[in-house]
Amino acid sequence: DAKTTQPPSMDCAEGRAANLPCNHSTISGNEYVYWYRQIHSQGPQYIIHGLKNNETNEMASLIITEDRKSSTLILPHATLRDTAVYYCIVRVPGFTGGGNKLTFGTGTQLKVEL
Amino acid sequence: NAGVTQTPKFRVLKTGQSMTLLCAQDMNHEYMYWYRQDPGMGLRLIHYSVGEGTTAKGEVPDGYNVSRLKKQNFLLGLESAAPSQTSVYFCASSLYNQPQHFGDGTRLSIL
Repeated sequence: DAKTTQPPSMDCAEGRAANLPCNHSTISGNEYVYWYRQIHSQGPQYIIHGLKNNETNEMASLIITEDRKSSTLILPHATLRDTAVYYCIVRVPGFTGGGNKLTFGTGTQLKVEL
Repeated sequence: NAGVTQTPKFRVLKTGQSMTLLCAQDMNHEYMYWYRQDPGMGLRLIHYSVGEGTTAKGEVPDGYNVSRLKKQNFLLGLESAAPSQTSVYFCASSLYNQPQHFGDGTRLSIL
């Protein structure tokens, strides 16, 4: 799985958009970008994933650059409940060596404040 | 729809004791996984299952055993608990090629 780089922490004002960057310069052509988050003391929560087109769901939007070397997760109207560690993971979907494991790095601690 | 449910939520064991962690999912997912998460670290895969009656080793399987007798349940056993197994344990499930859904974890302390 390609390595990802994320800033260790970010702050965002409640009601504003939170834009979380992720660099994955060694991504392969068949690797997807996944985003999960982990709110304190809870299990990781899937947010969104994509291959090369921008994606949007009820939680967030995912913007992937044309060269696919970086992406941005956008929470359009952040709330206090969005305070969490956000993980960007790049991998091939389905089972490969290692049994479909998700490799979580250290992620970005997003703090949403009033 | 409960999703992925883990029991117990907390447990304290003495070294050498045994216990079983239960994971149950009601989403009819084929694949189930057990991870552990240590402070300041990411999740590491212990064991996984691709269907009822099957199990396979992940990256840190030593000291653990698993069973998948029913599609909806995935059990993680510690035969002789050691302090190094103090951790938060997460269970997850998924359909093939789909994102994994996680439970809220079991916090296990071994004294």
